[in-house]
Formats: sequence, structure tokens, C-alpha cells
Amino acid sequence: KNEVEQSPQNLTAQEGEFITINCSYSVGISALHWLQQHPGGGIVSLFMLSSGKKKHGRLIATINIQEKHSSLHITASHPRDSAVYICAVDSGSDKLIFGTGTRLQVFP
Amino acid sequence: GAGVSQSPSNKVTEKGKDVELRCDPISGHTALYWYRQSLGQGLEFLIYFQGNSAPDKSGLPSDRFSAERTGGSVSTLTIQRTQQEDSAVYLCASSFTGRLGEQYFGPGTRLTVT
Repeated sequence: KNEVEQSPQNLTAQEGEFITINCSYSVGISALHWLQQHPGGGIVSLFMLSSGKKKHGRLIATINIQEKHSSLHITASHPRDSAVYICAVDSGSDKLIFGTGTRLQVFP
Repeated sequence: GAGVSQSPSNKVTEKGKDVELRCDPISGHTALYWYRQSLGQGLEFLIYFQGNSAPDKSGLPSDRFSAERTGGSVSTLTIQRTQQEDSAVYLCASSFTGRLGEQYFGPGTRLTVT
């Protein structure tokens, strides 16, 4: 079993839909990252959080440390949100452990 | 401002040759990371530098891989005696505040070993 599990692996949505991507982990962490990888390969850091909730535009990330679970929400989804979303945890050992990613496609 | 840059953007090499990949982090960023993404696979952590030191080298796939960082800035990832399984995109990222800081990624170097 991977130490970081994401679900779903693939997700399709219609423009405007509310989207949730989940990340569960089995190790103790000091921080959790959400990354976005565009079809061209470029990676952008969306959030780094260690507790609670963060919001940036239409994106919201939450984390529940006790349940070892984080969610990334996208409100009013748009085709330009189509990308691979990656969860990564910092376990405090100078290594990041990555989930396998969730491929999102938003259709007009 | 300038982001993280990597060179070369693409590298094709013959099996058995050595390659050097370069990463220029954002100025002032103390932490630097190397990752690898094989075709169709997820991201794999390779090594992390805080300043010039890498506390943990165990993420490097084999002893053919080495990395150094000088002057707290530029880093090079060297792969000796390349193998076909080394073919991947090698990504570098940097952050200002260290391991717990937001990471800024470079565009990657696509390495193809023939």
C-alpha cells in the first residue's frame, strides 16, 4: 500500500461543476502539498498546509491531521483547470512522498 | 522575476555515457530539490539541499547518481554510465524557507537514453 493515496485516479467534469480530489496518507507529516501539473509538464505549487484550510481563488484545500486526510476542492470548474493534481507529504525526513496524481478533465 | 531554470531542456545520450543536469534556483532560495518523473509515472523524490548540504542522499536511485550544490545556488545532478531506465524528466524546485516552504518548480530536463 502506498503511503500517499489519491482518489479518484481520473475525473471528468462539466464546466461549472464542483470538484473534490482526496488524499489520504499513512505517515506522520509536518506539511502537505498540493501541486498542479499541466499537460505540457509544468508543475505549479498550489498549496502547502499543515492544518485547517486555505483558499486561493476558486481553489480550497483542507486537511484533517487526526484523520490523515486532505481534500482539494475546485469551485465553478473551467476547462483550463484540466491538469494532473498531485498530493505530496513532508514526513519530516527531508523527503517528500508523492501520490500518483488525479487526472482531471473539464469539458465545456 | 526569474523563476527556476534548468538546462538542458532536452538531452539525448547513448547508454553508458555520463550526463550532467543543471538547476538554477530562484535567487535567495535556500532549499533546492531534485525529482524524477518517468513516462506515465508519478513524481519521485531524489534529493534535497538545504544550503550546500544534502542531509539525506538515500532517495538517489543508485550510486551512479550524485548531486552537488555550490555557493548555495546552482546545483548539478550527475548520472554516470546512463542506463535506459534513467530516461525520465528530471525536475528541480527551490523554496525560500526550506523544507516546509512553498516550492517553485523548473521546467525540467527531459533525458532520453538510447
